[in-house]
Formats: sequence, structure tokens, C-alpha cells
Amino acid sequence: EPEVTQTPSHQVTQMGQEVILRCVPISNHLYFYWYRQILGQKVEFLVSFYNNEISEKSEIFDDQFSVERPDGSNFTLKIRSTKLEDSAMYFCASSEWSQETQYFGPGTRLLVL
Amino acid sequence: SQQGEEDPQALSIQEGENATMNCSYKTSINNLQWYRQNSGRGLVHLILIRSNEREKHSGRLRVTLDTSKKSSSLLITASRAADTASYFCATVKAAGNKLTFGGGTRVLVKP
Repeated sequence: EPEVTQTPSHQVTQMGQEVILRCVPISNHLYFYWYRQILGQKVEFLVSFYNNEISEKSEIFDDQFSVERPDGSNFTLKIRSTKLEDSAMYFCASSEWSQETQYFGPGTRLLVL
Repeated sequence: SQQGEEDPQALSIQEGENATMNCSYKTSINNLQWYRQNSGRGLVHLILIRSNEREKHSGRLRVTLDTSKKSSSLLITASRAADTASYFCATVKAAGNKLTFGGGTRVLVKP
């Protein structure tokens, strides 16, 4: 069964460093998303992406964040200058159509020291 | 409270018993989705119910939706130890496609 994959599974970085989290959505899906879950808290929406542009973003998704679909398969989330409070589990998701089931990847656990 | 709040926050049952958890939300929705998360792991999609549907089944899962009360319930019948996990409801508003998650219900199924 097709699934969303994410790399790396864990990432440790120093505050102020840039990180890139990678995702491979399900191949025939058109909509892509990033969410995050700070330990012990709710899953929070960050951004949605369709047709090579951001379709919606949350207040969390400020200028430090960016997303890109550099080729036909990868979808990346970049954090330019990480902060301690960026430590969280980051989930990528994809859906075939808008307002349909979103399938999540296993997540990248980011720890900012 | 925020969009998508689950009740109870935690539930402990014996294997074989049924588990019921509820979700309330605030705004009009296009659909509501239930997910399962094992500790520290990814989110597994369980079921999607649309605003014009009242009930859906999938295996041992039964989901109801009452849009007049802005609430949904997830019933797991004949629970198993493997059902131990956190269960989240998430709503998609009438406009847009982002999921708004609740805080989840932690379910412990004791063998």
C-alpha cells in the first residue's frame, strides 16, 4: 500500500542552524501538508501546498519557514534559523484531492539545542 | 474551547469491552476525520465522515456525526490490547483543507 515517507526520522541541531525536513508524498496525490506536534500538545497545522504554491498557512508558518517541491516526488520543509521552541515532531501529509483523507508520514523528530 | 475537543481525555478498559470517545467542534465542517497515534509514532487514518453523513462503519469502528450538536463519536467494539493508543478527531472546515486536531483521548486496553 502506498505510504508517505519522511527523512530523517530524527534530527538534532543547534539553535540558529538551518534544517531541511524531507517528505515523499503518495505518488498520485496533489495536495501536500506539514503539521507539527510539540511534545504533549495537539497536532498543529503549518502549511498546505497545491499546484506548486502555498494554498494556506498558519500563524506559526512565519518567514523562518519555507516549503518547496524541488522535483516530482519530494516535498520539503525548511526552517532557516531554528529556535528552541521549534523542537517538535514534524509530520508531512498528502491527499489526492482537497478536503479528502490526509495520509500522514511517520514524522521527523526535531530537537533544537 | 477549541475546534475539535475530545472527551474523555483518558479511558481505561478491559480487553473485549467497547470504548467510546466523543469529539465536539465549533464551526461548520466539510468532514471530520479520526486518527490513531501509538506513542511517539505517526498518525494513522481511521475513518472520514462527511457533513451529510450520520454514521459510518469500518471493521470494529463505528463513527457517528451530529452536525446539529457539532459532535462526533468513535466507538471501538470488542477492544484488543493492540487498540491501546491515542485517538484524535480532526475537522476540515467548509472552506479550506487543513485539519484542525483535538487534544485526543488516550485509550488503554488492559489484557
